[in-house]
Amino acid sequence: QVQLVQSGAEVKKPGASVKVSCKASGYSFTGYSIHWVRQALGQGLEWMGRINPNSGGTDSAQKFQGRVTVTRDTSINTAYMELTSLRSDDTAVYYCARAQSMTDPGEYFHHWGQGTLVTVSS
Amino acid sequence: DIVMTQSPLSLPVTPGEPASISCRSSQSLLQRNGYNYLDWYLQKPGQSPQLLIYLGSYRASGVPDRFSGSGSGTDFTLKISRVEAEDVGVYYCMQALQPPFAFGPGTKVDIK
Repeated sequence: QVQLVQSGAEVKKPGASVKVSCKASGYSFTGYSIHWVRQALGQGLEWMGRINPNSGGTDSAQKFQGRVTVTRDTSINTAYMELTSLRSDDTAVYYCARAQSMTDPGEYFHHWGQGTLVTVSS
Repeated sequence: DIVMTQSPLSLPVTPGEPASISCRSSQSLLQRNGYNYLDWYLQKPGQSPQLLIYLGSYRASGVPDRFSGSGSGTDFTLKISRVEAEDVGVYYCMQALQPPFAFGPGTKVDIK
């Protein structure tokens, strides 16, 4: 069965960087894009970026002004989201999500990781 | 960027009664292929979001048939024909037409 297992909780200081991993199993990793969505505590969902694991092509939300980088390592079926220059308002749960087959229309996420809490505090 | 709005933001419901959530986008989500690039998610307390409806009206596998999605262009609706206690949580619509993909603010559904 499809599984997305994320790395554990992190505590970072303002100005630092964090890299969250998302290990995929149960399907062909290169056939489905991986997206990153975050949720500040008590707040709504916010899309951050995506990667095509086959080509390595990415898109990310301009809101993050180049602070977010999405990468992948196809040898270990893992996607990564790195966020730099952390601020207190980056404190949130970060989710990875797998989209449907890239040959199908739309973009929808049937499979989600368990979430990774990133706390930014001095 | 496409902006998503939802109403109401809070929806107290009575088990067994129907419920409806509206979602609007700032531009049309209807693609030339005839599909509306609009998805619905439910986030139950303490859980990751789960997909309910994709491409406007297609129910995801495993989703009970009391959930249905409708609408086209910029106006969409999620309906629950008969609410059950397990349906409580926050419902989000999301535009999947173009990056940056965007979620609505969410509609919190709880039992009266």
